[in-house]
Amino acid sequence: SQQGEEDPQALSIQEGENATMNCSYKTSINNLQWYRQNSGRGLVHLILIRSNEREKHSGRLRVTLDTSKKSSSLLITASRAADTASYFCAKNGAGNMLTFGGGTRLMVKP
Amino acid sequence: GAVVSQHPSRVICKSGTSVKIECRSLDFQATTMFWYRQFPKQSLMLMATSNEGSKATYEQGVEKDKFLINHASLTLSTLTVTSAHPEDSSFYICSAAPGQGETEAFFGQGTRLTVV
Repeated sequence: SQQGEEDPQALSIQEGENATMNCSYKTSINNLQWYRQNSGRGLVHLILIRSNEREKHSGRLRVTLDTSKKSSSLLITASRAADTASYFCAKNGAGNMLTFGGGTRLMVKP
Repeated sequence: GAVVSQHPSRVICKSGTSVKIECRSLDFQATTMFWYRQFPKQSLMLMATSNEGSKATYEQGVEKDKFLINHASLTLSTLTVTSAHPEDSSFYICSAAPGQGETEAFFGQGTRLTVV
């Protein structure tokens, strides 16, 4: 079952703008992960942030984590048309089982 | 990073037939693999945990007799959709990871199943 909610469900921006996606979860975590999915494809791992971390960067991606609010955000700076995809946060369960948020469908217009 | 290969990527089958989907870890061994199902514009829902050498663990509401999982080796898990019906049409994705800790997961390319 889905553990979290993501908002917005859909986001449309112009190339060059920043995109922010938010994720909330219900139970405590050891880490939170963000994945990207191009239409009709598998998922690609973006960032894993541990519960004792507050922020993590990878290229144009910035992930924050607020465990007191049980929320995380993914920021994509200077977006490109190629960033068009669905983005999911995911919480680890037993082993590497993942429970996904609802996802945000991002459209970046050239 | 690690590679997980899923095959076929697309399959169309007639109602009542069975379809087998393979998930292989190409460069690591995986004692556990996971099968997810995804409907259009929705998130991934875990169907079952595939355990090498033992029975799969199914999520609530997933019929184990309909979705047969076999994990006979450390690099291969198969999902067979038996007696498929149009409502089984969906996107099926597997994942696996090296080791047992909570790390990033690696996903297959997914299988688009259409039952006609």
